[in-house]
Amino acid sequence: DIVMTQSPDSLAVSLGERATINCKSSQSVLYSPNNRNYLSWYQQKPGQPPKLLIYWASTRESGVPDRFSGSGSGTDFTLTISSLQPDDVAVYYCQQYGYTPRTFGQGTKVEI
Amino acid sequence: EVQLVESGGDLVQPGGSLRLSCAASGFTFSNHWMHWVRQAPGKGLVWVSRIKSDGSIINYAESVEGRFTISRDNAKNTLYLQMNSLRVEDTAIYYCARDTASWYFDLWGRGTLVTVSS
Repeated sequence: DIVMTQSPDSLAVSLGERATINCKSSQSVLYSPNNRNYLSWYQQKPGQPPKLLIYWASTRESGVPDRFSGSGSGTDFTLTISSLQPDDVAVYYCQQYGYTPRTFGQGTKVEI
Repeated sequence: EVQLVESGGDLVQPGGSLRLSCAASGFTFSNHWMHWVRQAPGKGLVWVSRIKSDGSIINYAESVEGRFTISRDNAKNTLYLQMNSLRVEDTAIYYCARDTASWYFDLWGRGTLVTVSS
């Protein structure tokens, strides 16, 4: 199974400041024939289901604010919140979807 | 409205059984692979199982293989998870999730809580 490891486990960021979350996979999730990284990011607020933010490592889901961005390739990925807002307090998960079993990172809790 | 609604969660004793349902609406259910994902209290997300749009391909996490059975009824727009030989460690919120044609999950239900305890 592919192991997804996020860092840090939690971080506190001031309002308006940048938050950066890292995700590392135990093997590459880049599929060479289409040059796509099978990596997504989800946001989960307390008492709510996960919400898709980013897919293909860097494509923002419709309706997601542009302060959220994803980057990286192969085994190393980053989710960046450029200017943290109160509504961004949540746990964020990366997931690889190129292999079964689909695997998630352990989550990163973002606080203000 | 496009949505998934899970039901069937309950308190059950170890060794017991439970069947979860996930009712889909607002989209063509029969076009999508579907998944179950669980989350133990205060813990992270763990993939459980998936089923192809026509039911012809099924996969399970090693932790539930042989105990859980995923199925679907495309005529009823409903996904199921039959859970047998339940263990305390199966206690979790169970979410159903829709798979896009590109393999990521773009729609989640609100989940149903399964508690396994004596």
